[in-house]
Amino acid sequence: DSGVTQTPKHLITATGQRVTLRCSPRSGDLSVYWYQQSLDQGLQFLIQYYNGEERAKGNILERFSAQQFPDLHSELNLSSLELGDSALYFCASSVGPSHEQYFGPGTRLTVT
Amino acid sequence: KNEVEQSPQNLTAQEGEFITINCSYSVGISALHWLQQHPGGGIVSLFMLSSGKKKHGRLIATINIQEKHSSLHITASHPRDSAVYICAVLPAGGTSYGKLTFGQGTILTVHP
Repeated sequence: DSGVTQTPKHLITATGQRVTLRCSPRSGDLSVYWYQQSLDQGLQFLIQYYNGEERAKGNILERFSAQQFPDLHSELNLSSLELGDSALYFCASSVGPSHEQYFGPGTRLTVT
Repeated sequence: KNEVEQSPQNLTAQEGEFITINCSYSVGISALHWLQQHPGGGIVSLFMLSSGKKKHGRLIATINIQEKHSSLHITASHPRDSAVYICAVLPAGGTSYGKLTFGQGTILTVHP
């Protein structure tokens, strides 16, 4: 158990819908990262927050947004969902950007 | 060409064999991660290293910064080592902020 929690574990929704994925980092970690793992693209970095502020962005679609709250938990919002958004979404946390990252169990999103 | 290349892509071994997975990268880095992903999907951080060698149980990770190359060794392999092993680099530079770039993964199967 990494200490990073993600909810929900599984999510099935229809195209065009909006979902919110939630991540709670390890106690004491200020950095939160979101990653997408799809069959054809592998693991890809989406976005990173440090102590509430966005610090780095990867190939995150405009339909996706995220935020980190004062209690350091983070949410990833995915809207206007498409079939291609079906993937595993991982959250990771670390003390800081240059420290080891610990991954949550992931949320498996299926868009039908 | 991907920034992070792993070899081999697939590896089959008999229990007890010594295993080596290689990772080459093309960018300057501040650190390299080795991750393990089991069929259930969860990702576990095995090592984070920026120089030299680290050992944990039967796992050994080495890195040669000058040659931009890292290896993950498993001694006395066991069927429970069967998983996908992923190399990920943290590019150097102030704008990186923990933005990991991933290899495509090596699928390891260890037969009893």
